[in-house]
Amino acid sequence: AQKITQTQPGMFVQEKEAVTLDCTYDTSDPSYGLFWYKQPSSGEMIFLIYQGSYDQQNATEGRYSLNFQKARKSANLVISASQLGDSAMYFCAMREGTVDKIIFGKGTRLHILP
Amino acid sequence: EPEVTQTPSHQVTQMGQEVILRCVPISNHLYFYWYRQILGQKVEFLVSFYNNEISEKSEIFDDQFSVERPDGSNFTLKIRSTKLEDSAMYFCASSRGGNNEQFFGPGTRLTVL
Repeated sequence: AQKITQTQPGMFVQEKEAVTLDCTYDTSDPSYGLFWYKQPSSGEMIFLIYQGSYDQQNATEGRYSLNFQKARKSANLVISASQLGDSAMYFCAMREGTVDKIIFGKGTRLHILP
Repeated sequence: EPEVTQTPSHQVTQMGQEVILRCVPISNHLYFYWYRQILGQKVEFLVSFYNNEISEKSEIFDDQFSVERPDGSNFTLKIRSTKLEDSAMYFCASSRGGNNEQFFGPGTRLTVL
């Protein structure tokens, strides 16, 4: 079974609109962390936001927020007021318990249209 | 803002040759990682390194791979005898602690001919 599922392989959004990128995860460990990374066409991996499983509030970082619904095992990324520079591949990822590795989803390619 | 750096940005090698990919993690970080991303696929964990030893490795990280922290700043990934299927983008990452977010370097694109 997939640990991280991103069901949207690609999305097209008009500039300045808000975007929601979906992510669901699967773990039986009560302690875990959820991450979102952005990968522009240049290839680097840029950390965006982190949510711990015990965090009471949804994480926010500037225009990025994480809609964490623990019971649904969902960790959607919301980008407010999208910009052309937001066009990139976005990866949802998870770290379980005390394990070091981060497991990545397959990604969603976001295209922001002018 | 401190960042992870990697060299070279692109490495081309012949099958069977040894390659060493280099990384300089963020200076106050204690955990170091290597990941790879085959073109068009998702990012895969290779190995994590803490306190001068491997703390975790994936099934991909076989005897052809090794990691080393030869001095206080560099962290290297060595592939002893490269195969065509080793062609990928290799990312180094580091974190302050095992539970903290991991910051990735810009990657080294390895092409094996």
